Amino acid sequence: EAGVAQSPRYKIIEKRQSVAFWCNPISGHATLYWYQQILGQGPKLLIQFQNNGVVDDSQLPKDRFSAERLKGVDSTLKIQPAKLEDSAVYLCASSLNNEAFFGQGTRLTVV
Amino acid sequence: GIQVEQSPPDLILQEGANSTLRCNFSDSVNNLQWFHQNPWGQLINLFYIPSGTKQNGRLSATTVATERYSLLYISSSQTTDSGVYFCAVDFDMRFGAGTRLTVKP
Repeated sequence: EAGVAQSPRYKIIEKRQSVAFWCNPISGHATLYWYQQILGQGPKLLIQFQNNGVVDDSQLPKDRFSAERLKGVDSTLKIQPAKLEDSAVYLCASSLNNEAFFGQGTRLTVV
Repeated sequence: GIQVEQSPPDLILQEGANSTLRCNFSDSVNNLQWFHQNPWGQLINLFYIPSGTKQNGRLSATTVATERYSLLYISSSQTTDSGVYFCAVDFDMRFGAGTRLTVKP
């Protein structure tokens, strides 16, 4: 069974630029999560989807971050404009029956 | 929201030693998972364990939901066990800060 796919693996951008990350979950997994993990900390939930509906986006900085999950499968997370403090690893996970599996993440560096 | 606390924050072991990692949570939960983040950053699902006890090789986990804690046991540790161990609780998977384990040869 294929795992959770994320791209790109690495991205370097200047502050105030925009960036987008893509996630393809495990086939059949209805729940999809985006997390932000700053170096030395635990992952912080940004947004959770159930199929193509948002379950929880309370920690998503909505003035600059947006996410969508069209057709309840793939998802994109966008940052516009980026700030220096957005430098982190962005992790996508999907789950079925409450057991979650993570992709390898996208390491974002904002300079 | 639910608060998740993990202890100890850091743990250094000699290869072959046993260890116990703890996860406390502030309210009742319907879901609890343990993950291992390897040195390359990949999060690996170890256990889905909202209650009871499970074992997988040298690793086992116990969750006592009524007392709001879970334990992860690692026996006969190996250098490949090094990394950060996280617990995550409930349907929205709130993570603790993790326990960083270093196993020395």
